[in-house]
Amino acid sequence: EVQVVESGGGLVQPGESLRLSCAASGFTFRSYWMSWVRQAPGKGLEWVANIKHDGSEKYYVDSVKGRFTISRDNAKNSLYLQMDSLRAEDTAVYYCARARGCEIWGQGTMVTVSS
Amino acid sequence: DVVMTQSPISLPVTLGQPASISCRSSQSLVHSNGNTYLNWFQQRPGQSPRRLIYEVSKRDSGVPDRFSGSGSGTDFTLKISRVEAEDVAVYYCMQGTHWPPWTFGQGTKVEIK
Repeated sequence: EVQVVESGGGLVQPGESLRLSCAASGFTFRSYWMSWVRQAPGKGLEWVANIKHDGSEKYYVDSVKGRFTISRDNAKNSLYLQMDSLRAEDTAVYYCARARGCEIWGQGTMVTVSS
Repeated sequence: DVVMTQSPISLPVTLGQPASISCRSSQSLVHSNGNTYLNWFQQRPGQSPRRLIYEVSKRDSGVPDRFSGSGSGTDFTLKISRVEAEDVAVYYCMQGTHWPPWTFGQGTKVEIK
C-alpha cells in the first residue's frame, strides 16, 4: 500500500525547535519530489516546502524561509522538516504529501506553538 | 504569487442534485510545456485531504465518475453530477504551474440542505 506517515509533532514554546518526520512506503521514494503542507486550526491549506527527488532543489513559502529546512534520506525512505524559531502562527497540522501535485497525503501531525 | 479564488465559500446542496465550484487564478495556468497544472482536493470532516483531479480534468484512481473537472486559462470548475452524503467536505483547488509558491484556493464547504 502506498502511504506516508508523519510524526514528531507536539507542543513547544515560541522560539523553540521541532523536527518532523515522514516515513514513506509502498513506492519508490527516491523517484518523487516530496512536499510539506500545513493547515492552521479551522483554516485552509498552505503549501510550506518542497524538495526534489535527489535533494538538489528545495523551495519554501516566504513565511518560513530561514527558519524551516526540508531534507530527505532516500536510503531510509524518509522526509524531514526541521522547524526552528517557531512562532505562534506556525501552529497547524503538518501534512507530508507525495510529489509537487500532492497526490498522496499522510494523516498529519499537530504542531502547537504556545507559551 | 498566483492567487487562487474559489466561489462560493459555502454551498448547500440537495442530495442527488448537481453541484459546481468555481476556481479562478490571477494569471493563466498554462505552463510553457502546454500543460495546465490545476488540481482539486477533497477534505472530509476530520480527515486528511485527498486529491480528486489533476491537470484540470484527470481523475485520480478510485475517484467516482460523478466528479469532473473542466476549464482553461484562469477559469476552472469542479462539478459533482449528483451529490451523495459522502461528498460533504471542503474542496480546494491548487495551482502548480507558477512556482514557488504552490498556492491553494481558500476552500469551498459543501453541505447538505
